[in-house]
Amino acid sequence: AQSVTQLDSQVPVFEEAPVELRCNYSSSVSVYLFWYVQYPNQGLQLLLKYLSGSTLVKGINGFEAEFNKSQTSFHLRKPSVHISDTAEYFCAVSSNTDKLIFGTGTRLQVFP
Amino acid sequence: NAGVMQNPRHLVRRRGQEARLRCSPMKGHSHVYWYRQLPEEGLKFMVYLQKENIIDESGMPKERFSAEFPKEGPSILRIQQVVRGDSAAYFCASSPGTGSSEQYFGPGTRLTVT
Repeated sequence: AQSVTQLDSQVPVFEEAPVELRCNYSSSVSVYLFWYVQYPNQGLQLLLKYLSGSTLVKGINGFEAEFNKSQTSFHLRKPSVHISDTAEYFCAVSSNTDKLIFGTGTRLQVFP
Repeated sequence: NAGVMQNPRHLVRRRGQEARLRCSPMKGHSHVYWYRQLPEEGLKFMVYLQKENIIDESGMPKERFSAEFPKEGPSILRIQQVVRGDSAAYFCASSPGTGSSEQYFGPGTRLTVT
């Protein structure tokens, strides 16, 4: 069985500061990894994905994530956040075209 | 290219009534997934369908819930005899099923049971 753990339920940060949102997964098979963002009362938007190849993945809005197989992690980073990055962020795992297994989410709150 | 469409966006039902949630996948997508998000929680997988077939329903409650994806028309998630615990946001996602596994999400239907 697959599972995803997002270690931080809330991350407060000041504008223009760097941020890291942590994600660890467990799986007995090869996986695909995703980060989604959810703005209030909206659906999910894909930020980035890891399928294979380079372990450093760049996504939209200046976000990037690094796949670390030995540590089973896929942490999301941004070097300088904006107020508009305030949202809920979900890490997810899947196998091939199977269902997504989501973490419980991390609420990023950016303060001016 | 229109995205995944869900309707209604908001649905209010009284206890015991039926709720029908509709999802139109992106053009060219033949795989549909339904997820439920309870307040302050992440998304939980419910069911995965392809045209006229249920592929994986391991996340569906055993009673009152059903889903279909007919040859023509949208996918429907049906909840019979709703209870207050069914109040949640229900999201539909679609994928082309080419192996990339990327799913595109709709805006969700927020069901409130009074």
